Amino acid sequence: AQKVTQAQTEISVVEKEDVTLDCVYETRDTTYYLFWYKQPPSGELVFLIRRNSFDEQNEISGRYSWNFQKSTSSFNFTITASQVVDSAVYFCALGISNFGNEKLTFGTGTRLTIIP
Amino acid sequence: EPEVTQTPSHQVTQMGQEVILRCVPISNHLYFYWYRQILGQKVEFLVSFYNNEISEKSEIFDDQFSVERPDGSNFTLKIRSTKLEDSAMYFCASAGYSGRAGELFFGEGSRLTVL
Repeated sequence: AQKVTQAQTEISVVEKEDVTLDCVYETRDTTYYLFWYKQPPSGELVFLIRRNSFDEQNEISGRYSWNFQKSTSSFNFTITASQVVDSAVYFCALGISNFGNEKLTFGTGTRLTIIP
Repeated sequence: EPEVTQTPSHQVTQMGQEVILRCVPISNHLYFYWYRQILGQKVEFLVSFYNNEISEKSEIFDDQFSVERPDGSNFTLKIRSTKLEDSAMYFCASAGYSGRAGELFFGEGSRLTVL
């Protein structure tokens, strides 16, 4: 069975501070995918990143960066120089690809509030 | 960029009524999904659908739920007799075969409120 743990329920930081959102996953599969989604107050799920289990290279996209460490089963997400528009709920998810049957297991989410 | 579209964006219904939520997946995708998010909680898998049949379903997806792809473009979720606890955001998603395996494209969600 798959499991995703986001231990931080809520985080508040002052604008321009850096913030890291933690994600720990559990799976017995050797091939899997990790995702981060942003859910703004409007409710939709906005795809941020997809990572497969064979690619441990960290990624940076503008102010966003992701640290994937298989040794600790973690896929953490850092926002640098946070902005008010970053306020949202962020979900980490784990996907197991079974001949195209892509089922995602989501964490419980971290509500991030950026204080102006 | 192709996208998954869902209608209605918000539906309010009385307990016991039937509800149909509609989704138009990305046109060349073969796998279709419904996920549910009760307010303030995590997103949960309901059902996956491939080749005109359910490929997997969760414990949540009981006999009150059904899915259908009636015309080759729409993908619907029907709740036969709604309960208060069915109030949630329902997300449709689709995926292509291979290529970008593991990636779902989500719609913007349909918020269902059961009174």
